[in-house]
Amino acid sequence: QITLKESGPTLVKPTQTLTLTCTFSGFSLSTGGVGVGWIRQPPGKALEWLALIYWDDDDRYSPSLKSRLTITKDTSKNQVVLTMTNMDPVDTATYYCAHMPWGYFDLWGRGTLVTVSS
Amino acid sequence: QSALTQPPSASGSPGQSVTISCTGTSSDVGGYNYVSWYQQHPDKAPKLMIYEVNKRPSGVPDRFFGSKSGNTASLTVSGLQAEDEADYYCSSYAVSNDFVVFGGGTKLTVL
Repeated sequence: QITLKESGPTLVKPTQTLTLTCTFSGFSLSTGGVGVGWIRQPPGKALEWLALIYWDDDDRYSPSLKSRLTITKDTSKNQVVLTMTNMDPVDTATYYCAHMPWGYFDLWGRGTLVTVSS
Repeated sequence: QSALTQPPSASGSPGQSVTISCTGTSSDVGGYNYVSWYQQHPDKAPKLMIYEVNKRPSGVPDRFFGSKSGNTASLTVSGLQAEDEADYYCSSYAVSNDFVVFGGGTKLTVL
Protein backbone atom coordinates (compact mmCIF):
# COMPACT_ATOMS: atom_id res chain seq x y z
CA GLN A 1 0.00 0.00 0.00
CA ILE A 2 1.47 3.30 -1.12
CA THR A 3 1.15 6.29 1.18
CA LEU A 4 2.65 9.76 1.07
CA LYS A 5 2.67 12.49 3.70
CA GLU A 6 3.77 16.09 3.42
CA SER A 7 5.38 17.93 6.30
CA GLY A 8 6.85 21.35 6.88
CA PRO A 9 6.05 24.76 8.31
CA THR A 10 2.49 26.02 8.21
CA LEU A 11 3.57 29.66 8.27
CA VAL A 12 6.50 31.36 6.57
CA LYS A 13 7.41 35.01 6.23
CA PRO A 14 7.80 36.79 2.91
CA THR A 15 11.29 36.38 1.39
CA GLN A 16 11.97 33.25 3.46
CA THR A 17 12.76 29.86 1.99
CA LEU A 18 10.19 27.08 2.31
CA THR A 19 11.33 23.51 2.85
CA LEU A 20 8.77 20.73 2.53
CA THR A 21 9.34 17.02 3.02
CA CYS A 22 7.37 14.20 1.45
CA THR A 23 7.75 10.96 3.38
CA PHE A 24 6.45 7.92 1.56
CA SER A 25 6.04 4.19 1.96
CA GLY A 26 5.01 1.27 -0.20
CA PHE A 27 7.44 1.95 -3.03
CA SER A 28 11.09 2.71 -3.62
CA LEU A 29 12.43 5.70 -5.49
CA SER A 30 15.26 3.53 -6.71
CA THR A 31 12.84 1.52 -8.86
CA GLY A 32 13.09 2.31 -12.55
CA GLY A 33 10.32 4.47 -13.98
CA VAL A 34 9.12 5.83 -10.64
CA GLY A 35 8.88 9.50 -9.79
CA VAL A 36 7.52 11.79 -7.10
CA GLY A 37 6.03 15.16 -7.87
CA TRP A 38 4.94 18.27 -6.02
CA ILE A 39 1.74 20.08 -6.86
CA ARG A 40 0.18 23.08 -5.12
CA GLN A 41 -3.28 24.60 -4.92
CA PRO A 42 -3.96 28.14 -3.68
CA PRO A 43 -7.21 28.42 -1.71
CA GLY A 44 -10.15 28.20 -4.09
CA LYS A 45 -7.91 27.90 -7.13
CA ALA A 46 -6.63 25.27 -9.52
CA LEU A 47 -3.87 22.72 -9.20
CA GLU A 48 -0.41 23.79 -10.31
CA TRP A 49 2.43 21.39 -10.97
CA LEU A 50 5.76 22.43 -9.40
CA ALA A 51 8.45 19.78 -9.77
CA LEU A 52 9.28 16.13 -10.40
CA ILE A 53 12.14 13.87 -9.43
CA TYR A 54 12.74 10.46 -10.94
CA TRP A 55 14.36 7.29 -9.67
CA ASP A 56 17.58 8.18 -11.49
CA ASP A 57 17.81 11.66 -9.87
CA ASP A 58 16.66 13.36 -13.02
CA ASP A 59 14.52 16.36 -12.12
CA ARG A 60 12.07 18.66 -13.87
CA TYR A 61 10.56 21.98 -12.88
CA SER A 62 7.68 24.21 -13.83
CA PRO A 63 9.21 26.76 -16.21
CA SER A 64 7.52 29.65 -14.40
CA LEU A 65 8.99 28.69 -11.01
CA LYS A 66 12.21 26.95 -12.00
CA SER A 67 14.50 29.64 -10.62
CA ARG A 68 13.01 29.28 -7.15
CA LEU A 69 12.64 25.50 -6.82
CA THR A 70 14.92 22.63 -5.91
CA ILE A 71 13.79 19.03 -5.54
CA THR A 72 15.93 16.30 -4.03
CA LYS A 73 15.47 12.76 -2.79
CA ASP A 74 16.86 10.61 -0.02
CA THR A 75 16.21 7.05 -1.09
CA SER A 76 17.39 5.57 2.21
CA LYS A 77 14.85 7.66 4.14
CA ASN A 78 12.07 7.35 1.55
CA GLN A 79 11.82 11.12 1.37
CA VAL A 80 11.61 13.82 -1.26
CA VAL A 81 12.36 17.41 -0.32
CA LEU A 82 11.17 20.54 -2.10
CA THR A 83 12.65 23.94 -1.40
CA MET A 84 11.14 27.16 -2.67
CA THR A 85 13.02 30.41 -2.22
CA ASN A 86 11.82 33.98 -1.84
CA MET A 87 8.33 33.11 -0.64
CA ASP A 88 5.54 35.60 -1.30
CA PRO A 89 1.93 35.80 -0.07
CA VAL A 90 0.78 34.55 -3.51
CA ASP A 91 2.57 31.28 -2.70
CA THR A 92 0.01 30.59 0.02
CA ALA A 93 -1.40 27.20 -0.94
CA THR A 94 -1.90 23.59 -0.04
CA TYR A 95 1.16 21.70 -1.19
CA TYR A 96 0.77 18.07 -2.25
CA CYS A 97 3.27 15.38 -3.09
CA ALA A 98 2.24 12.48 -5.29
CA HIS A 99 3.54 9.19 -6.69
CA MET A 100 4.11 9.20 -10.44
CA PRO A 101 4.36 5.85 -12.23
CA TRP A 102 4.77 7.53 -15.63
CA GLY A 103 2.90 10.53 -16.89
CA TYR A 104 0.24 10.74 -14.17
CA PHE A 105 -0.09 11.01 -10.41
CA ASP A 106 -1.86 7.93 -9.10
CA LEU A 107 -1.62 8.47 -5.35
CA TRP A 108 -1.47 11.74 -3.45
CA GLY A 109 -0.68 12.82 0.06
CA ARG A 110 -3.28 14.72 2.06
CA GLY A 111 -1.48 17.99 1.48
CA THR A 112 -0.13 20.64 3.81
CA LEU A 113 -1.35 24.23 3.93
CA VAL A 114 1.42 26.80 3.86
CA THR A 115 0.55 30.41 4.61
CA VAL A 116 2.93 33.20 3.68
CA SER A 117 2.45 36.21 5.90
CA SER A 118 4.49 38.61 7.95
CA GLN B 1 3.62 26.24 -20.76
CA SER B 2 -0.01 27.37 -20.43
CA ALA B 3 -2.73 25.75 -18.39
CA LEU B 4 -5.12 23.49 -20.23
CA THR B 5 -8.55 25.00 -20.88
CA GLN B 6 -11.58 23.58 -19.12
CA PRO B 7 -15.08 25.01 -18.73
CA PRO B 8 -15.46 26.43 -15.22
CA SER B 9 -18.68 24.58 -14.58
CA ALA B 10 -20.84 21.69 -15.75
CA SER B 11 -24.04 20.22 -14.44
CA GLY B 12 -26.52 17.43 -14.91
CA SER B 13 -29.37 15.69 -13.16
CA PRO B 14 -29.02 12.32 -11.46
CA GLY B 15 -28.87 9.55 -14.04
CA GLN B 16 -27.87 11.87 -16.86
CA SER B 17 -24.50 12.09 -18.61
CA VAL B 18 -22.18 15.06 -18.67
CA THR B 19 -18.98 15.67 -20.63
CA ILE B 20 -16.13 17.94 -19.54
CA SER B 21 -13.66 19.12 -22.15
CA CYS B 22 -9.96 19.86 -21.78
CA THR B 23 -8.20 21.72 -24.57
CA GLY B 24 -4.45 21.94 -24.96
CA THR B 25 -2.03 22.05 -27.85
CA SER B 26 -0.12 19.65 -30.04
CA SER B 27 2.75 19.96 -27.54
CA ASP B 28 0.76 18.40 -24.74
CA VAL B 29 -2.76 16.94 -25.09
CA GLY B 30 -2.55 16.44 -28.83
CA GLY B 31 0.98 15.14 -28.91
CA TYR B 32 0.88 12.33 -26.37
CA ASN B 33 -1.51 9.87 -24.79
CA TYR B 34 -0.64 11.02 -21.29
CA VAL B 35 -3.88 12.74 -20.39
CA SER B 36 -5.21 12.14 -16.90
CA TRP B 37 -8.25 13.28 -14.95
CA TYR B 38 -8.58 13.94 -11.24
CA GLN B 39 -11.63 14.29 -9.01
CA GLN B 40 -11.41 16.54 -5.96
CA HIS B 41 -14.04 16.85 -3.28
CA PRO B 42 -13.93 19.88 -0.97
CA ASP B 43 -10.94 19.87 1.38
CA LYS B 44 -9.74 16.53 0.02
CA ALA B 45 -6.73 15.53 -2.02
CA PRO B 46 -7.25 14.90 -5.74
CA LYS B 47 -8.07 11.35 -6.78
CA LEU B 48 -6.97 9.82 -10.08
CA MET B 49 -9.99 8.87 -12.18
CA ILE B 50 -8.53 8.38 -15.68
CA TYR B 51 -4.96 7.98 -16.94
CA GLU B 52 -3.41 7.63 -20.38
CA VAL B 53 -6.53 9.15 -21.96
CA ASN B 54 -8.98 6.34 -21.28
CA LYS B 55 -7.71 3.94 -18.64
CA ARG B 56 -9.45 3.59 -15.30
CA PRO B 57 -7.57 2.76 -12.10
CA SER B 58 -8.89 -0.11 -10.08
CA GLY B 59 -11.95 0.97 -8.11
CA VAL B 60 -13.09 3.76 -10.40
CA PRO B 61 -16.59 3.05 -11.72
CA ASP B 62 -16.97 2.43 -15.43
CA ARG B 63 -19.38 5.38 -15.48
CA PHE B 64 -16.25 7.47 -15.96
CA PHE B 65 -14.97 7.46 -19.52
CA GLY B 66 -12.04 9.32 -21.05
CA SER B 67 -11.38 10.12 -24.68
CA LYS B 68 -9.32 12.41 -26.89
CA SER B 69 -9.63 13.97 -30.30
CA GLY B 70 -6.85 16.16 -31.59
CA ASN B 71 -5.85 18.69 -28.95
CA THR B 72 -9.00 18.18 -26.86
CA ALA B 73 -9.54 15.50 -24.24
CA SER B 74 -12.90 14.75 -22.65
CA LEU B 75 -14.22 13.16 -19.50
CA THR B 76 -17.73 11.76 -19.67
CA VAL B 77 -19.57 10.82 -16.52
CA SER B 78 -22.67 8.77 -17.18
CA GLY B 79 -25.44 7.83 -14.78
CA LEU B 80 -24.66 10.87 -12.63
CA GLN B 81 -24.79 10.30 -8.90
CA ALA B 82 -24.78 12.77 -6.05
CA GLU B 83 -21.26 11.73 -5.02
CA ASP B 84 -19.94 12.73 -8.45
CA GLU B 85 -20.38 16.37 -7.48
CA ALA B 86 -16.81 17.63 -7.23
CA ASP B 87 -14.12 19.58 -9.02
CA TYR B 88 -12.47 17.80 -11.95
CA TYR B 89 -9.02 18.58 -13.30
CA CYS B 90 -7.39 17.35 -16.46
CA SER B 91 -3.66 17.04 -16.81
CA SER B 92 -1.21 16.33 -19.58
CA TYR B 93 2.37 15.15 -19.44
CA ALA B 94 4.44 16.58 -22.26
CA VAL B 95 7.11 13.99 -22.86
CA SER B 96 9.30 16.11 -25.08
CA ASN B 97 9.53 18.96 -22.59
CA ASP B 98 9.16 16.68 -19.61
CA PHE B 99 6.69 18.80 -17.76
CA VAL B 100 3.17 18.46 -16.43
CA VAL B 101 0.35 20.89 -17.00
CA PHE B 102 -3.07 20.98 -15.33
CA GLY B 103 -6.35 22.45 -16.48
CA GLY B 104 -8.14 25.21 -14.62
CA GLY B 105 -10.69 22.80 -13.20
CA THR B 106 -14.41 22.23 -13.76
CA LYS B 107 -16.94 22.27 -10.96
CA LEU B 108 -19.47 19.53 -11.62
CA THR B 109 -22.85 20.07 -10.02
CA VAL B 110 -25.42 17.30 -9.75
CA LEU B 111 -28.78 19.07 -9.83
